[in-house]
Amino acid sequence: NAGVTQTPKFQVLKTGQSMTLQCAQDMNHEYMSWYRQDPGMGLRLIHYSVGAGITDQGEVPNGYNVSRSTTEDFPLRLLSAAPSQTSVYFCASHPTLAGNTDTQYFGPGTRLTVL
Amino acid sequence: GDSVTQMEGPVTLSEEAFLTINCTYTATGYPSLFWYVQYPGEGLQLLLKATKADDKGSNKGFEATYRKETTSFHLEKGSVQVSDSAVYFCALTTGNTGKLIFGQGTTLQVKP
Repeated sequence: NAGVTQTPKFQVLKTGQSMTLQCAQDMNHEYMSWYRQDPGMGLRLIHYSVGAGITDQGEVPNGYNVSRSTTEDFPLRLLSAAPSQTSVYFCASHPTLAGNTDTQYFGPGTRLTVL
Repeated sequence: GDSVTQMEGPVTLSEEAFLTINCTYTATGYPSLFWYVQYPGEGLQLLLKATKADDKGSNKGFEATYRKETTSFHLEKGSVQVSDSAVYFCALTTGNTGKLIFGQGTTLQVKP
């Protein structure tokens, strides 16, 4: 099991560019989510998915799109990058829909800088 | 809305010192509570959790007790090691979606 994988590890963009952050998990988890980590603010939820074909917004969704066409993959798209999106992005998954007690498994993160 | 507040860091301790990192929460319903740890350059990993009042979570010498009366989930360790140097996050979930709400994180540095 590779667990949760994210690519790329590092990325530098110019303002206005678009890109996709990739996330994949091989644990057959239904629930996947994207967080951003900023100094002094912990992690904040961007978007999440409770299964293939189902996505919803988290706390800070503006400027980001997601889709979930398969159980394994949950890409995060930046439509037009802005300096405020400079952050470290983490993807996470957990196994069940009815489990607010379930452990979430995090990927290693993508460090994004927008100039 | 639901929220988590952690003590400000960074916390600097000598090896074998006692550690406490305070965490309090505000939540509707009955949250599950978690401590996650992030070692340098890595993602987050679960350290311990508690799912109901008076539960004690423990792992790797760390402990935290779910105190509903004080809405707290303080992290403790009796004797820290250099290898415990990391960022510690307190978090909660409510309902069935599993959405985690994090505190701001506390950086711990342990010196030999």
